[in-house]
Amino acid sequence: GAVVSQHPSRVICKSGTSVKIECRSLDFQATTMFWYRQFPKQSLMLMATSNEGSKATYEQGVEKDKFLINHASLTLSTLTVTSAHPEDSSFYICSAPTIGIAGTQLEIDTQYFGPGTRLTVL
Amino acid sequence: AQSVTQLDSQVPVFEEAPVELRCNYSSSVSVYLFWYVQYPNQGLQLLLKYLSGSTLVKGINGFEAEFNKSQTSFHLRKPSVHISDTAEYFCAVSAYNTDKLIFGTGTRLQVFP
Repeated sequence: GAVVSQHPSRVICKSGTSVKIECRSLDFQATTMFWYRQFPKQSLMLMATSNEGSKATYEQGVEKDKFLINHASLTLSTLTVTSAHPEDSSFYICSAPTIGIAGTQLEIDTQYFGPGTRLTVL
Repeated sequence: AQSVTQLDSQVPVFEEAPVELRCNYSSSVSVYLFWYVQYPNQGLQLLLKYLSGSTLVKGINGFEAEFNKSQTSFHLRKPSVHISDTAEYFCAVSAYNTDKLIFGTGTRLQVFP
């Protein structure tokens, strides 16, 4: 079954509103999570690294004030798109790496991806 | 820094035919290599990975890939594809001992009956 969940799976909002996306690791703790953005028929672009207990690290060109990241616990990271505009419409995906846990399906040195959140800003 | 090049944006193939999806990478340090598959409107699923050891790596769904350090390649192969293999395939690289993944642009595998 899924080891990383995202909520919501789809969201439609009006321009100017803020949207929060949650990413949860199930059955394992993740001190680090990653947030990606994927445009239609394109690759995943890393937006930022979410660090539990400290500030997120943003990739070049990503506005940290627009894409707020909070890693509230060892199993939860949130991405808030503030004052969303139509150009923010995209597929947002999170991932969490695991060191592997004996007796489980979790593999060593593997990142598990959430199912993604499709954001549509009208 | 690392980069990944997937030479083919689309690969059409008939069912039961063999397929190879190409991936080349660039890095000044040792790397880990991955292939992920993405079905429509879904997240990514790990197909296989190379961390160390044998350069021929076998993954799920009958896929395998071979790490070639001299050619900086990690091509994905399957001897006989099924309709259900139709999906987007992404090659990815991470520097040794880091978790940050850099993805290629993806290859759309379309299997026809």
